[in-house]
This record gives sequence, C-alpha cells and structure tokens, in this order.
Amino acid sequence: AQKVTQAQTEISVVEKEDVTLDCVYETRDTTYYLFWYKQPPSGELVFLIRRNSFDEQNEISGRYSWNFQKSTSSFNFTITASQVVDSAVYFCALSNFNKFYFGSGTKLNVKP
Amino acid sequence: KAGVTQTPRYLIKTRGQQVTLSCSPISGHRSVSWYQQTPGQGLQFLFEYFSETQRNKGNFPGRFSGRQFSNSRSEMNVSTLELGDSALYLCASRAETGIYYEQYFGPGTRLTVT
Repeated sequence: AQKVTQAQTEISVVEKEDVTLDCVYETRDTTYYLFWYKQPPSGELVFLIRRNSFDEQNEISGRYSWNFQKSTSSFNFTITASQVVDSAVYFCALSNFNKFYFGSGTKLNVKP
Repeated sequence: KAGVTQTPRYLIKTRGQQVTLSCSPISGHRSVSWYQQTPGQGLQFLFEYFSETQRNKGNFPGRFSGRQFSNSRSEMNVSTLELGDSALYLCASRAETGIYYEQYFGPGTRLTVT
C-alpha cells in the first residue's frame, strides 16, 4: 500500500529561521516519484519539486532544499531563512504513475 | 502558457441538488485528475481522465462522475449532494514526457452544500 506521512501538523517560526518539513513514505514499488507542493491561502497547489526513486541526489533551489533518503524512506524539505511569504500548507506526495497519494500537509506559519 | 483553470470558483448548493464543475487543462496536457480536499480527510483522489477515457478511479460513491472532451477539458458531476460534499475540488493536469511527469493544479472550486 502507498502511504505518505507528514507528522508535523503545524509549525511556527520567526522570519529568517530555518525550518525543515518532514515527509516519510511507504511503497513497495521500485519506481516511484515524490513531489512537494505548496498551498497558499488562495487554495491553488503550487508544484515545487519532483524526484524519482532512482535519483537520490539532494537538490537546492534558492532558499529551498530537499533531502531524499531511500534508506529511511524520507523526502524532507528545508526552507532556509524563512520569509512571511513562505506561510502556507505544504504537501508531500508519492506517485507510482497511476495515482498520487498525498500526505495530510504541514501548515507553516512564518511570523515577522 | 496559461495554467489550469476551473469554473466556477465558488458555488453554493442545497442538499439533494446536483452540480457540475469544469476544468480546462494546460494546453497540450491530455491527463486531467480531480481531487477533493476537506479539513478532515485531506486531499483525496477522485478520478483521472486521459484522452477522453477514465484511466484511474478513487474510492468515491457513484454520485461522483466525470468526463473528458476531445479538447481535454473535463467536467465533474456530483448528483444528490450531501452536506459532506462541501469541499474544495481541485483539478490537475499532467505533462508526460517519457517516464517523467509533473502535475499542475488549478485554483479549485469551493463547493458549499447547505
């Protein structure tokens, strides 16, 4: 069975702090994809990153970085020097091509 | 390139009525998926259409149905609305290039059933 767990329901930080959002997944597939999406108050899910199961290389994009570890089935997301505009709900998702399975989301509050 | 568009953005219906939601995917995308988002259940997959055929289906009752047209636009219909159908309904279109794919979401339709 496919499952995505985001244990952190809500996180509050002060602007400029670093914050890591955890994502743990379960799958028996050898080929799969992992995604992170951001959902601001407006409601639209914004695609942030895709990772396939054969590529464990970490990725950095500006203040965002992702750490993929197959050994622990984790795909964690770090925001460096957080900003108020980062406040949103963040979803981790797993896909085996046929379907997407979303975690329950982590609400990030960045206070000025 | 224009993003995924959904209409209407907000809808209020009465229990027992039916509703139709519309989604226009990104140009060139042939896959359209629908999701229901509620505070209690999170994001749940409803179904996916590809080239006018339902390719995948989630665990929702038959009251929820959909279709896709030849221009890839998709509609979702919910009949005999229940209070529990109040949710944000998100549509997503998918770009598939070889073995890689990415899914892009629309702004959603917020349905309130009274």
